[in-house]
Amino acid sequence: KQEVTQIPAALSVPEGENLVLNCSFTDSAIYNLQWFRQDPGKGLTSLLLIQSSQREQTSGRLNASLDKSSGRSTLYIAASQPGDSATYLCAARGQNFVFGPGTRLSVLP
Amino acid sequence: DAGVIQSPRHEVTEMGQEVTLRCKPISGHNSLFWYRQTMMRGLELLIYFNNNVPIDDSGMPEDRFSAKMPNASFSTLKIQPSEPRDSAVYFCASSFGGAVYEQYFGPGTRLTVT
Repeated sequence: KQEVTQIPAALSVPEGENLVLNCSFTDSAIYNLQWFRQDPGKGLTSLLLIQSSQREQTSGRLNASLDKSSGRSTLYIAASQPGDSATYLCAARGQNFVFGPGTRLSVLP
Repeated sequence: DAGVIQSPRHEVTEMGQEVTLRCKPISGHNSLFWYRQTMMRGLELLIYFNNNVPIDDSGMPEDRFSAKMPNASFSTLKIQPSEPRDSAVYFCASSFGGAVYEQYFGPGTRLTVT
């Protein structure tokens, strides 16, 4: 059974810092891994989708990498801004679709 | 595009009552997913449809839950009878081409069962 964990559970950084969010999964037989952000009381917004054959995806200040063999994905956020404050979730798609518990990010002005 | 539409946005009901949640996927998407989010269990996939056919309902907690997709533009998730432990935020998501493609989420329905 796939299990997805995320470290850290919460993170608080000053504006302008570069930061890394970590996602680990136990079953490497995945089709893809997707990163989302969730604002309080809102739905999920898709950030990046990495197919199993890919190593990374980039969108603006965001870069996500995938290492299937080690069961890890990282989300790199460059030059963080207060508007980046949200909960970030990763989800691994294999036989089923399993979400991690999320990392709650606060970027302080 | 209007995105995934869910209704109602909030629902408060008494234990034992029937609850029906509704979802309209993004036009052209042929896969639809129902999720439940709670503080204790996080985000869980309940069921997903591909071309209106249920593909994986292993996440449906028990027989009190049922989901239908009568056509490509509408789906319902029904709970009967509802219980306090069903209180959660229920999300609907859709994608094009099946579960391996990017999913787009609706705003969710916050259900409170008293």
